[in-house]
Order: sequence, then C-alpha cells, then structure tokens
Amino acid sequence: NAGVTQTPKFQVLKTGQSMTLQCAQDMNHEYMSWYRQDPGMGLRLIHYSVGAGITDQGEVPNGYNVSRSTTEDFPLRLLSAAPSQTSVYFCASSPMQGAFQPQRFGDGTRLSIL
Amino acid sequence: GENVEQHPSTLSVQEGDSAVIKCTYSDSASNYFPWYKQELGKRPQLIIDIRSNVGEKKDQRIAVTLNKTAKHFSLHITETQPEDSAVYFCAASNSGPGNTGKLIFGQGTTLQVKP
Repeated sequence: NAGVTQTPKFQVLKTGQSMTLQCAQDMNHEYMSWYRQDPGMGLRLIHYSVGAGITDQGEVPNGYNVSRSTTEDFPLRLLSAAPSQTSVYFCASSPMQGAFQPQRFGDGTRLSIL
Repeated sequence: GENVEQHPSTLSVQEGDSAVIKCTYSDSASNYFPWYKQELGKRPQLIIDIRSNVGEKKDQRIAVTLNKTAKHFSLHITETQPEDSAVYFCAASNSGPGNTGKLIFGQGTTLQVKP
C-alpha cells in the first residue's frame, strides 16, 4: 500500500491562477479530509468527505472546492488563488466514518501564492 | 462547532525531565481524542489516542489523561529524549455510528528537549 499520496509536493502560483491539489489513497478508506497548516494556527479543516459523492465544509472552506467521485480520490481546487492561501496542505484519510480510527496523513503540498 | 485550545505553544525541557501538554475542547459530544507528532518537514503521525470511556491510556513513555467533566485532556511524556523534539497536536472528534468523525486540531506545541 502506498497510503495517502499527494501531488504535487511543491507549487508556486500567481494570484488569480487556478490549481488542483491531488490526493489519492489505496486503502479503501471512506473518510478523507483536507487541512491547511499555518504557523501558530495548527491544522485547520478545509473540507471533508465521508464517502464517494458526499462532501462537507470544515472550519475554513472559503476559496476552496472539493468533489469525491471515487473512493480513492479527493482533489482540492483553488479557483482563483490568493496570497492568503499560501500554506502547507495536508490530505488525510481513515477507514470509516465515525469509527474511532485515527487519520493517516499524506506528505503534504507546499503552496506559495505570489 | 468544536473548538480545541492547546497549551503551551512552546515547551523546553532538559533531557530526562517530563513534559506535559494540555488541551481543552468545547463540544461535550466529542468522544475521541488522538495526539499527533510532527517532525520538521514531515507529516503528522499518530502517537496515542483515547476514547471518552477511558480516563487514562499509557504506551511506554507516553500517557494521555482525559477529564470529561472539565472537558480537557493532557499528554504526558516521561524521561524525555532529544528525539522527542517535535510539534505535538491534540485533536477531538465526535466519532461512532452516525457521526461524521470530523477531526478538529489544537494549535500545536513545539517541544524542545535539550541534551
């Protein structure tokens, strides 16, 4: 198993550009989520999904879109990048919705918006 | 929604001393509390977790305690070693059948263990 795979690892964008951060897991996990990590702010939940076709907002959803067409993939879209979205983005997954299972994280994507 | 507060933000100890990190949560329905360790430039990794039906859990030098009445939980690391130096995050969720299991994190504690 590769676990949770995030691509790309690094990206630099200009303000206003769009981009999709990819996240894939090969563990047949139902639950997937996206976090952003900023200094002193911890890990803040952007969006999450409890299964294919089902997504919901987290703590900081504005400026981001998600979809879950398959169990394996959970892409995060920035439609019009802003400097405030400069951050490290982590995708995570766990086996089942609400199953007292810890989330497993990907290696992260470092995103800089100029 | 759930809010998790974590203290202190930084903690420096001498090798061999104990370290304690404390978290409080706001949602009384939260019932699952994992702790993650993140080394510099790496992904967060689970080190220990506890459910609300348990007051304490221990794994070698690491222990977690939970006080449901006060809505706070703590991480205890004994006999600290330089390799314990990292950022530690607490988290809380309302897990179990019918719940989303949405995980909310604290702000993190940077632990430095001095040799």
